[in-house]
Amino acid sequence: DTGVSQNPRHKITKRGQNVTFRCDPISEHNRLYWYRQTLGQGPEFLTYFQNEAQLEKSRLLSDRFSAERPKGSFSTLEIQRTEQGDSAMYLCASSFGRQGWFYTQYFGPGTRLTVL
Amino acid sequence: AQTVTQSQPEMSVQEAETVTLSCTYDTSESDYYLFWYKQPPSRQMILVIRQEAYKQQNATENRFSVNFQKAAKSFSLKISDSQLGDAAMYFCAYRSARIGNSGGSNYKLTFGKGTLLTVNP
Repeated sequence: DTGVSQNPRHKITKRGQNVTFRCDPISEHNRLYWYRQTLGQGPEFLTYFQNEAQLEKSRLLSDRFSAERPKGSFSTLEIQRTEQGDSAMYLCASSFGRQGWFYTQYFGPGTRLTVL
Repeated sequence: AQTVTQSQPEMSVQEAETVTLSCTYDTSESDYYLFWYKQPPSRQMILVIRQEAYKQQNATENRFSVNFQKAAKSFSLKISDSQLGDAAMYFCAYRSARIGNSGGSNYKLTFGKGTLLTVNP
């Protein structure tokens, strides 16, 4: 069990550029979550995958955001035409889930995005 | 929608002493889970303790215990024998236990704003 990994750990970009983050969940975890955490706030839910299916998207996820999880393994979160308000820590979490059972969400170290 | 409130932005405790972090939540659901997560500086978030709402007994994990008051919608964390390594941001979180058609929205965590705990030697 190597834990949830995220790359890159830090990203600095200029406003208007596109960025992509990657999350590798714990192997055999079928659920993957993206959260966003701004300074002084707790993480806020963005989106959720069960295997390769994206089952829910928060209203925080504007049209400039897109997430994928091909083949139900790693996931990518892309932000197009970045804005300064997108500056935040982007957290990924994974869990193994089966209906009626609860499993802990394990978090990655996050990707800190700074938009200049 | 559920909300989680942590009214203490910062707390401090002397090493070896006990400290209690407060959390209240608002929900119309009867079945749910509550969590305390710890986020050390520049390190990833880890689960400290969890409580199932249907259980009356308060959860305990070594030096960490909770005081779960369902009627009052209160979920406080007590840290006994505080250690320097306990210094971190602590987040209270809520998760519904309801099973939906898609299984989607039921599994997200709703977090409070956090309490920054400082441990003084």
